[in-house]
Amino acid sequence: GAVVSQHPSRVICKSGTSVKIECRSLDFQATTMFWYRQFPKKSLMLMATSNEGSKATYEQGVEKDKFLINHASLTLSTLTVTSAHPEDSSFYICSARPRDRGSGEQFFGPGTRLTVL
Amino acid sequence: AQKVTQAQTEISVVEKEDVTLDCVYETRDTTYYLFWYKQPPSGELVFLIRRNSFDEQNEISGRYSWNFQKSTSSFNFTITASQVVDSAVYFCALSDFISSGSARQLTFGSGTQLTVLP
Repeated sequence: GAVVSQHPSRVICKSGTSVKIECRSLDFQATTMFWYRQFPKKSLMLMATSNEGSKATYEQGVEKDKFLINHASLTLSTLTVTSAHPEDSSFYICSARPRDRGSGEQFFGPGTRLTVL
Repeated sequence: AQKVTQAQTEISVVEKEDVTLDCVYETRDTTYYLFWYKQPPSGELVFLIRRNSFDEQNEISGRYSWNFQKSTSSFNFTITASQVVDSAVYFCALSDFISSGSARQLTFGSGTQLTVLP
């Protein structure tokens, strides 16, 4: 149980285009989903926290107009990288927290590797 | 503010050696949770363990063991008789309430790259 999927796993796009990444909790309802970014050989950096049905809370320094997050349902959150540029190339990981997890435990998706040419 | 420190950036050991990965944390909260995750080259994070702040019992799971010392704010991870498949980046993480409110965000350490040589 507690499986999180992410799609696509890998995407290559041209500079200036927008890319959407989907994060789904497959066998549980996630009231909260998180989006992380990871640079090579670096730790996970939290970008934003999203709660179902409300606006995402972005971490300091993360451009909300560039990284659009929509948590449309209890099993789906999307991250759209708008007008992508090469510096947006990174590994993006989502996670989901089940409704009843007071411990803060999160279940992670397999990640999406974005390359912007 | 909460903080997790993994001072060891990279560790190399030879297969069958034991290895300990260090994790030191800071939090003002009295109720918090600590986690270890493994990230193999594929990138997917693999959950290893969760420990709450009220449970200081050490835990053993096969070749893995964890030593939680509240007095020193440490949550170290030991792999006994390491194997090549253990090669990965290992992250320690902290979830508390004060810093992140109801969201209970995870704060990750910088990770330790473990390489097990055959």
